[in-house]
Amino acid sequence: GQQLNQSPQSMFIQEGEDVSMNCTSSSIFNTWLWYKQDPGEGPVLLIALYKAGELTSNGRLTAQFGITRKDSFLNISASIPSDVGIYFCAGQRSPGNTGKLIFGQGTTLQVKP
Amino acid sequence: DADVTQTPRNRITKTGKRIMLECSQTKGHDRMYWYRQDPGLGLRLIYYSFDVKDINKGEISDGYSVSRQAQAKFSLSLESAIPNQTALYFCATSDFGLAGPNNEQFFGPGTRLTVL
Repeated sequence: GQQLNQSPQSMFIQEGEDVSMNCTSSSIFNTWLWYKQDPGEGPVLLIALYKAGELTSNGRLTAQFGITRKDSFLNISASIPSDVGIYFCAGQRSPGNTGKLIFGQGTTLQVKP
Repeated sequence: DADVTQTPRNRITKTGKRIMLECSQTKGHDRMYWYRQDPGLGLRLIYYSFDVKDINKGEISDGYSVSRQAQAKFSLSLESAIPNQTALYFCATSDFGLAGPNNEQFFGPGTRLTVL
């Protein structure tokens, strides 16, 4: 069953505001990935994290791999209307590199112009 | 041209029918995956394949089968479709990089399947 808890489930914010979402697990993960899905499309990779404590940015997006290896967060700064979509975290549990990802339930983001 | 393509993009079928969803990739990746997406549940892994001769069950493989016809092609079959298999299906690929673990997966556009 589902092993990643992603929150919040949905957010409705004003353009220009910062956004934060996170994923937590009771198990250790050795990889955290963040994806965005636009309506009618497949998920697109935003950021990949491979080391505990790692902080990585991609434009206005910043994600961190938690020190405990059981959580990760994604921040979006100065949101714009095109940030609208569903954001998913995904992780791979250790040990080994099986390539099997477990996905969070998703955070639906709506941005009001 | 898209790196990962799926056909068909939409399909409506009846209970009991056999359905095949196809996936092709031009990324040259060895690893391919099939997921289904249901509202509020994220994506769940159905089957995955690390090369043409290596196929593995995922989290929810019951009622599904797969075929890896070539490195670039991975198809998903529903032998006898049932209504609770109505979902959005995604194919994905990934490359096991020589520099170390590389779990980044690249997704196709999805197939919306409705079973009546």
